[in-house]
Amino acid sequence: NAGVTQTPKFQVLKTGQSMTLQCAQDMNHNSMYWYRQDPGMGLRLIYYSASEGTTDKGEVPNGYNVSRLNKREFSLRLESAAPSQTSVYFCASSATPRSNQPQHFGDGTRLSIL
Amino acid sequence: AQRVTQPEKLLSVFKGAPVELKCNYSYSGSPELFWYVQYSRQRLQLLLRHISRESIKGFTADLNKGETSFHLKKPFAQEEDSAMYYCALQNYGGSQGNLIFGKGTKLSVKP
Repeated sequence: NAGVTQTPKFQVLKTGQSMTLQCAQDMNHNSMYWYRQDPGMGLRLIYYSASEGTTDKGEVPNGYNVSRLNKREFSLRLESAAPSQTSVYFCASSATPRSNQPQHFGDGTRLSIL
Repeated sequence: AQRVTQPEKLLSVFKGAPVELKCNYSYSGSPELFWYVQYSRQRLQLLLRHISRESIKGFTADLNKGETSFHLKKPFAQEEDSAMYYCALQNYGGSQGNLIFGKGTKLSVKP
């Protein structure tokens, strides 16, 4: 009963390094989302994928790219990490974009950029 | 613009005291509102949503369209209620469907 699985759970990077955060869901959901959580800011949407084969920018997309690899997987890539990207990243999924079903969240990835 | 406001960053109460976490929203249509809870270093979990009109863990929330509010209430707080609480609005604009979150309120219940 995994739900939404994120890897890795923790990562420390140096400025300028690149990495990919992985997310997979096993609920046959169509829509997937990447949020970042910062103290005092709540959660803000980085990118989303309303359905397989589509991706779109959210509120804070700069410095990130995403890939919807298939229906299950949605990855987030930092091409050149910056200290401002130090945050906790959450992946979420929902059945469809316009459903009133709740979003399900992963455990988060705690990322530090030095 | 769609927006969710949680005016309190921190709310501290004693065990057994009533709790009210405030949430106000800005949305032109019929809102879909949720409360999510995040216990220490855990994932966000859905606590309740207004459409269900349910009570979870003793918490209730009523949508007041006149005041554009969706406050979360519990008559008697427990220590295990200590957590971060987020009010969220479903974004039906375009194809997004994402949640618009408030900045969160940290609830601390003291023994």
